[in-house]
Amino acid sequence: AIRMTQSPSSLSASTGDRVTITCRASQGISSYLAWYQQKPGKAPKLLIYAASTLQSGVPSRFSGSGSGTDFTLTISCLQSEDFVTYYCQQYYSYPRTFGQGTKVEIK
Amino acid sequence: EVQLVESGGGLVQPGGSLRLSCAASGFSFSTYEMNWVRQAPGKGLEWVSYISSSGSTIYYADSVKGRFTISRDNAKSSLFLQMNSLRAEDTAAYYCARQLFITMIPVANGAFDIWGQGTVVTVSS
Repeated sequence: AIRMTQSPSSLSASTGDRVTITCRASQGISSYLAWYQQKPGKAPKLLIYAASTLQSGVPSRFSGSGSGTDFTLTISCLQSEDFVTYYCQQYYSYPRTFGQGTKVEIK
Repeated sequence: EVQLVESGGGLVQPGGSLRLSCAASGFSFSTYEMNWVRQAPGKGLEWVSYISSSGSTIYYADSVKGRFTISRDNAKSSLFLQMNSLRAEDTAAYYCARQLFITMIPVANGAFDIWGQGTVVTVSS
C-alpha cells in the first residue's frame, strides 16, 4: 500500500496568514492526489483533485501543487472557517490511502 | 440536489453483524463508482471498500477483507455494506462516497466528490 505522510500534524496560525501543508507519497502517484477539508462532526469535503484542480465552489484562496511524490496545499489568506482539519489522499492505486491529517488551529 | 444518505448504524456486540445502506439521489447513480470510508473516534480517514458502477469490480481494505461485503442496487440507487464478525476496532463513523468522473480528464477520476453525512457503528459488549 502507498503510504501518505502529511506534515505538520498540526499548526497554529492567525486569520489572514498564508499556510502550507505538505503531503508525501511513499511512491510516485503522478497527479492522482486529492485534498479534503473536514469540519468537526461533518463529512469530508473535496477541495482539490488531480493535485492542483480546484473543485467547483471552493474558494480561490485554496491551491494545490506537486506531482510524483511531493504535494502541497496552500491557503493564501486564512479565514475563520478554515481552522479545521485537512487530509490528502492518493487515488493512484488500491487500497486508497489518506494522510493522517493536519489540524489548523488558531494562534 | 445531489445527495447521499447513510443509514443502518448502531450498537452491536463483538462478533455481530450490521448492514449499512446509502441512498443516492440527484444524480445517475448507476454510472458512478462508489466507496465506503470510515473514521474511528478522534482518528483519521480510512478507506474501506470500492465497487464499480456495474458492481463487477470490488476492492477491500485488508482490515475488512473476508468480513465485509460491498454491493449495490442500481435500480434502487442504493449502496450497501454488509459487516460481519465485527470487532471493537470497527467502531467508527462510516461514510459512503461517490467517485468523481470527468470523461476527458482521467487524472481526475478517483477523488471522492460527494459524501454522505455518515452513520455511526459502535461495536461493544
